[in-house]
Amino acid sequence: GEDVEQSLFLSVREGDSSVINCTYTDSSSTYLYWYKQEPGAGLQLLTYIFSNMDMKQDQRLTVLLNKKDKHLSLRIADTQTGDSAIYFCAERHSGYSTLTFGKGTMLLVSP
Amino acid sequence: DSGVTQTPKHLITATGQRVTLRCSPRSGDLSVYWYQQSLDQGLQFLIQYYNGEERAKGNILERFSAQQFPDLHSELNLSSLELGDSALYFCASSAPGTGGEQYFGPGTRLTVT
Repeated sequence: GEDVEQSLFLSVREGDSSVINCTYTDSSSTYLYWYKQEPGAGLQLLTYIFSNMDMKQDQRLTVLLNKKDKHLSLRIADTQTGDSAIYFCAERHSGYSTLTFGKGTMLLVSP
Repeated sequence: DSGVTQTPKHLITATGQRVTLRCSPRSGDLSVYWYQQSLDQGLQFLIQYYNGEERAKGNILERFSAQQFPDLHSELNLSSLELGDSALYFCASSAPGTGGEQYFGPGTRLTVT
């Protein structure tokens, strides 16, 4: 079946790098996304990667995609307390426009 | 600000009642998606409309229905409400011919008492 798995919680210190991991099961996924949700707010699109790419960098964010292992990661460099939020990984399946989301990883950044 | 608007922000109602949630997509976006977010189920896709027509259905209950109007705004109707329907309801929109990225509204928090 189609499923997206993420670890539930990650705690880091301010200034460190954070790496949030995600695995998915559908090898036909075309795009993979990272969203951020702060308390009481909607989901904010952070970045996305096309399935024929291995890496995408956008300022402090680096996305790595290992298509063979169906593994996606989001690295946040120089993590700040304002990065504390829930991060969702999502996949888009070939031929569809709907997304399947993971349950989210809560990132806690301590000073 | 994603450009997607949702009203109301909060809604409190009693079991058995019916409510309507409203969403306006980003300018130019033709697709609207509805999601339900709860602590136990996570973010669940409910239904998608594209330019006024239903395009995809997810885990939407028969008590729930949606539509998209000619001006592209959408409404999600929830009827015979139960306590378990208490959740955050999000609307998202996307543009045609892109990477399929969806932009989310701020959500409507529904509390059924």
